[in-house]
Amino acid sequence: DTGVSQDPRHKITKRGQNVTFRCDPISEHNRLYWYRQTLGQGPEFLTYFQNEAQLEKSRLLSDRFSAERPKGSFSTLEIQRTEQGDSAMYLCASSSGLAGGRNEQFFGPGTRLTVL
Amino acid sequence: EDKVVQSPLSLVVHEGDTVTLNCSYEVTNFRSLLWYKQEKKAPTFLFMLTSSGIEKKSGRLSSILDKKELFSILNITATQTGDSAVYLCGYSGAGSYQLTFGKGTKLSVIP
Repeated sequence: DTGVSQDPRHKITKRGQNVTFRCDPISEHNRLYWYRQTLGQGPEFLTYFQNEAQLEKSRLLSDRFSAERPKGSFSTLEIQRTEQGDSAMYLCASSSGLAGGRNEQFFGPGTRLTVL
Repeated sequence: EDKVVQSPLSLVVHEGDTVTLNCSYEVTNFRSLLWYKQEKKAPTFLFMLTSSGIEKKSGRLSSILDKKELFSILNITATQTGDSAVYLCGYSGAGSYQLTFGKGTKLSVIP
């Protein structure tokens, strides 16, 4: 399967703990995105990488959230001192970055976070 | 404020019916509008539209964009139970690659 993969698929944690999620994009896709989705809402943009550079960050991304893509391949999203409001599905997507502005983003299966 | 408004929010139809889902958006520098299908998992890409009046077709699904009136529609003909899902509409603006999504339309197709 050469689609976007995410790990873990589910995470249950206690409030105040730190969690880290991993995303492996489609190979050769140089753009990688993180979104958060809660029940009844569409995905909300968190951050975007082109290769290893983090080029966009949402105002939603508090200082407890940090994302990295150190070698321009996989990415990690860390949430420090989790709060119950962080409970959501965290989606990763990638796109090829073709010239001409095409932006077909392909999503991974998501990591469902539950903060108790 | 909502920059993407989808309607209806939910819809129940019988197999074989034709449905039209609506998406209106507000963006100053439009680049593209995308439709996704989301079952109990991640969104699956359906269409990307960048030009007005160009209808995209894939089997029973089709979509068209009106850049002047800032809306798009997704049509599904001869619906099947497998079409039951949430359909998401999102746009990207010039200078940004993030997608801004609406809340989606939940379609339920009953036998």
